[in-house]
Amino acid sequence: GQQVMQIPQYQHVQEGEDFTTYCNSSTTLSNIQWYKQRPGGHPVFLIQLVKSGEVKKQKRLTFQFGEAKKNSSLHITATQTTDVGTYFCATNAGGTSYGKLTFGQGTILTVHP
Amino acid sequence: EAGVTQFPSHSVIEKGQTVTLRCDPISGHDNLYWYRRVMGKEIKFLLHFVKESKQDESGMPNNRFLAERTGGTYSTLKVQPAELEDSGVYFCASSQDLFSASYYNEQFFGPGTRLTVL
Repeated sequence: GQQVMQIPQYQHVQEGEDFTTYCNSSTTLSNIQWYKQRPGGHPVFLIQLVKSGEVKKQKRLTFQFGEAKKNSSLHITATQTTDVGTYFCATNAGGTSYGKLTFGQGTILTVHP
Repeated sequence: EAGVTQFPSHSVIEKGQTVTLRCDPISGHDNLYWYRRVMGKEIKFLLHFVKESKQDESGMPNNRFLAERTGGTYSTLKVQPAELEDSGVYFCASSQDLFSASYYNEQFFGPGTRLTVL
């Protein structure tokens, strides 16, 4: 079945440093969605990318979708303590499984003040 | 607007017992999903309802799991009998009915039910 590999598994940064998490697939993806889960919380949708080479920004967060639609990245500039949590990429399976989200393993971000 | 709600928030049961989880989606959302996250692993899809119909149940692990959505409103997920490996956090999510071939809706997740099977 469809798989999305996400790295790194953990990232520890000092407040103010940048952070990047990557997702990769061996197959072309229909889309990429990014979710954030705070400690003890639930996944919250951040953004969706659907176009080849697409780049979207939300304040300090920059999301990219690769030209071949096989990889994506989330970059946070100047991290803050409020950025802590687990960041997941996910993609829709398509076809009759259009609603099914396949998640990456997640990257756990800790930010030291 | 109320978000997705789930009940109970925690459940601790013994192996062989039965547990029923409930999910109330956002009002008006025809799509309802169940996911599970086992500790340290990724979030895995279980099944997808469109209104009261099962659109996709390819992620259901075995016949000990039964999901229902009578009337197309709330949904229940029953595990009977529970096994140790069923422990984890069960998330419910819902989304609106609009989609196209190149756009998929964001899914709104509930707070989850943490299930512990002893």
